[in-house]
Amino acid sequence: SQQGEEDPQALSIQEGENATMNCSYKTSINNLQWYRQNSGRGLVHLILIRSNEREKHSGRLRVTLDTSKKSSSLLITASRAADTASYFCATDSSGYSTLTFGKGTMLLVSP
Amino acid sequence: DTAVSQTPKYLVTQMGNDKSIKCEQNLGHDTMYWYKQDSKKFLKIMFSYNNKELIINETVPNRFSPKSPDKAHLNLHINSLELGDSAVYFCASSHLVAGTYEQYFGPGTRLTVT
Repeated sequence: SQQGEEDPQALSIQEGENATMNCSYKTSINNLQWYRQNSGRGLVHLILIRSNEREKHSGRLRVTLDTSKKSSSLLITASRAADTASYFCATDSSGYSTLTFGKGTMLLVSP
Repeated sequence: DTAVSQTPKYLVTQMGNDKSIKCEQNLGHDTMYWYKQDSKKFLKIMFSYNNKELIINETVPNRFSPKSPDKAHLNLHINSLELGDSAVYFCASSHLVAGTYEQYFGPGTRLTVT
């Protein structure tokens, strides 16, 4: 069954602006991961946050996790046109590599 | 070098046919997966293999049969194709690092059943 739900479904911003995407999930997790999918391509792993972590940074990416609210957010700062893609959150509840993906947020960054 | 590769990239075929999609990873990973992504971009796990053994088999019609001849390969055979099988199929692999798994995806195979 579907675990993650991303919000918004689509987001359109200008280059240089920040983009924030949210993900909610239903059951307890071991970790939550964010992936990017460019049009017509496979998914690329961006960042992983464990259930005992609250915030993580990687370059222009910042991920937060609130296990009490069962939610996570992905912030992309100073966005670029190349950031245009779909972004998916995925939860690992089993601890044995089974990921459950949400429906994704489609991000469009205009020059 | 391609880490996870799939062939073919596109597959157009008629209902009732049998087809296979091949997947290979050169990352030395122990675990491989097949996912189906529908037209609404929803990605759902179908199968997972660890060291050539099936560990996850989600509710998938038995017309779908995965085969893992060795740790680096996980092929997907589909019998009696139906219109609803049209989707993009992704292969992925992973290994355990610091207690977690990060998955590496192939480029996908777009299957169209007419």
